[in-house]
Amino acid sequence: NAGVTQTPKFQVLKTGQSMTLQCAQDMNHEYMSWYRQDPGMGLRLIHYSVGAGITDQGEVPNGYNVSRSTTEDFPLRLLSAAPSQTSVYFCASRPTGGASYEQYFGPGTRLTVT
Amino acid sequence: GNSVTQMEGPVTLSEEAFLTINCTYTATGYPSLFWYVQYPGEGLQLLLKATKADDKGSNKGFEATYRKETTSFHLEKGSVQVSDSAVYFCALKRGQAGTALIFGKGTTLSVSS
Repeated sequence: NAGVTQTPKFQVLKTGQSMTLQCAQDMNHEYMSWYRQDPGMGLRLIHYSVGAGITDQGEVPNGYNVSRSTTEDFPLRLLSAAPSQTSVYFCASRPTGGASYEQYFGPGTRLTVT
Repeated sequence: GNSVTQMEGPVTLSEEAFLTINCTYTATGYPSLFWYVQYPGEGLQLLLKATKADDKGSNKGFEATYRKETTSFHLEKGSVQVSDSAVYFCALKRGQAGTALIFGKGTTLSVSS
């Protein structure tokens, strides 16, 4: 299994540009989520999904859209990039059931908005 | 809702020193607790976990005990190595369903030889 994969690894955008960060997992996990990591802030939840066709907002959803058309993919869209969205973005997944709630993380995408 | 408070760093130690990183939590019930580690330039890896009160999680010489009396999950290692230099995050599940995690702000550990 490849686990959780993310593309691209690095991206530079100009203010106002749009782009999609890709996330895929091959573990048949129902739950997927997007976090952003900023210095001194830890990881903050942007959006999450409990299955295909179902998404919801996390703590910092403004400026981001998501969709979940398949179990495997959970793309994150920036409609009009702003410098405040400069961050490292992590996608994660976990299976339903079980008692541990452990999340499996992708390698991250480092985004710079100028 | 659930929350995590983690000691702020950076923590700077010499090789073979003893490490403690404090983590306390607020939660309904007794949710699973986690320590994740992020090595320079990499993503997050699960270091250890404890799924119920009084459990001890351990991995790679690191340990943490789930203490419900003090609502704590402190990370310890008896003898750190240079290769342990990383950012450490304490975490617990978000909400009843645990669809995502809530993280502490992270503690940067730097170990010198």
